[in-house]
Amino acid sequence: NAGVTQTPKFQVLKTGQSMTLQCAQDMNHNSMYWYRQDPGMGLRLIYYSASEGTTDKGEVPNGYNVSRLNKREFSLRLESAAPSQTSVYFCASSEAVRSGNTIYFGEGSWLTVV
Amino acid sequence: RKEVEQDPGPFNVPEGATVAFNCTYSNSASQSFFWYRQDCRKEPKLLMSVYSSGNEDGRFTAQLNRASQYISLLIRDSKLSDSATYLCVVSPRKLIFGAGTRLAVHP
Repeated sequence: NAGVTQTPKFQVLKTGQSMTLQCAQDMNHNSMYWYRQDPGMGLRLIYYSASEGTTDKGEVPNGYNVSRLNKREFSLRLESAAPSQTSVYFCASSEAVRSGNTIYFGEGSWLTVV
Repeated sequence: RKEVEQDPGPFNVPEGATVAFNCTYSNSASQSFFWYRQDCRKEPKLLMSVYSSGNEDGRFTAQLNRASQYISLLIRDSKLSDSATYLCVVSPRKLIFGAGTRLAVHP
């Protein structure tokens, strides 16, 4: 009963390094999301994928790229990490990008950029 | 102005107390409304949806006032296990999260 699984859980990067956060869901959901959460800011949408083969920018896409590898997997890449990208990252999925759909989150990835 | 605004708290209440959280939203086209709960260092999880007529789930009651663009969550008979951050979520299409209100219930 995995739901949404994301890796790694913790990562420390040096400024300028690159890394990819992996996410997979086993609920046969069409839509997947990447959020970041910072103190006092709430969850902010970075990118989302309404369906396999499509990706769209969210509220804070700068410095990130995404790939919807297949229906199950949606990865987030930081090409050149910056201290401002220190945050908690949550992957999520839902049946569709539609008002009223419940969204399910992974356990989060704690990223520190030094 | 933030699209969804919540009092950050923390609300410190004794066990058994009744506590209410409020949330305002700016987009009048919003159609769906939710409360999510987030425990410390955990992911958010759906607590309950909020319906126009108001709805109740055990000790939890949610209300929506579309005219005032206002949502509330009432928790009766607070338990220690209710200690968490409560996120107000509004959906004109994609979900928009408030920053959350922290609740600490003490013995």
